Amino acid sequence: QQQVKQSPQSLIVQKGGISIINCAYENTAFDYFPWYQQFPGKGPALLIAIRPDVSEKKEGRFTISFNKSAKQFSLHIMDSQPGDSATYFCAASISDYKLSFGAGTTVTVRA
Amino acid sequence: GAGVSQSPSNKVTEKGKDVELRCDPISGHTALYWYRQSLGQGLEFLIYFQGNSAPDKSGLPSDRFSAERTGGSVSTLTIQRTQQEDSAVYLCASSLNYHKETQYFGPGTRLLVL
Repeated sequence: QQQVKQSPQSLIVQKGGISIINCAYENTAFDYFPWYQQFPGKGPALLIAIRPDVSEKKEGRFTISFNKSAKQFSLHIMDSQPGDSATYFCAASISDYKLSFGAGTTVTVRA
Repeated sequence: GAGVSQSPSNKVTEKGKDVELRCDPISGHTALYWYRQSLGQGLEFLIYFQGNSAPDKSGLPSDRFSAERTGGSVSTLTIQRTQQEDSAVYLCASSLNYHKETQYFGPGTRLLVL
C-alpha cells in the first residue's frame, strides 16, 4: 500500500502563477520529507526537504509547508516558469533511509 | 564531479530471459539504493546496500530479483526469467551514508520485456 498519497495527478498553470501539490502520510515515525523534481529521461533530483521540527521551509521560489498534526505537507511553486514543467514527487522516510514516494504530479507551465 | 551512472540506458529483452542492470554510485558514497518506477507510478523501493551488505531487501518483488554490490562501489541488479510486468525504469541512488544524507539518483535503465 502506498504510504504517501499525493495529489493532484497533474496540473496546468500559467506562467507567473502558483503551483500547489499536496501530500499526506500515515506513518508518524516519518521524520524526513523531501520533494524530488524529475524531467523526462532523467532521474529524480532533490528539490527541497523538510524535517518535522519546522512548519515551513523556503528556497527561492519553492516552499514546503508542513502540518504535523494533520500529517500533511505541500509544495508551493511561486512565479511558475516554463522551465518548472516537470514531474514532482513527494517522499517520506525514517531517518532518510528507504524513501516512500508519492505517485507524482506532472506540472505543465504555459507561457 | 561525476554523478550516479547506470547502464544500459535502455534494455529490450524477451520474456524468460535474464537481465543485468549496472549502477556506478558517486565515488565515496557508502549507501546505495535501487528503486523501480513503473508507468504512471511513483518510485518503489527495492533494496538498500550499506557497503557491500544489503540489510534491507524487503522491496524485492520476487525471488527472481537479486542484487549484489562489490568493493563498496558498483552494484548489479539481476532479474531472472523476466516477465512483462517487470517492464519499468530501474533507478539507482547513492548517498554519502545511510543516515541523514541526500540520495542522488542516476538516469535509470528503461527495461522493456516483450
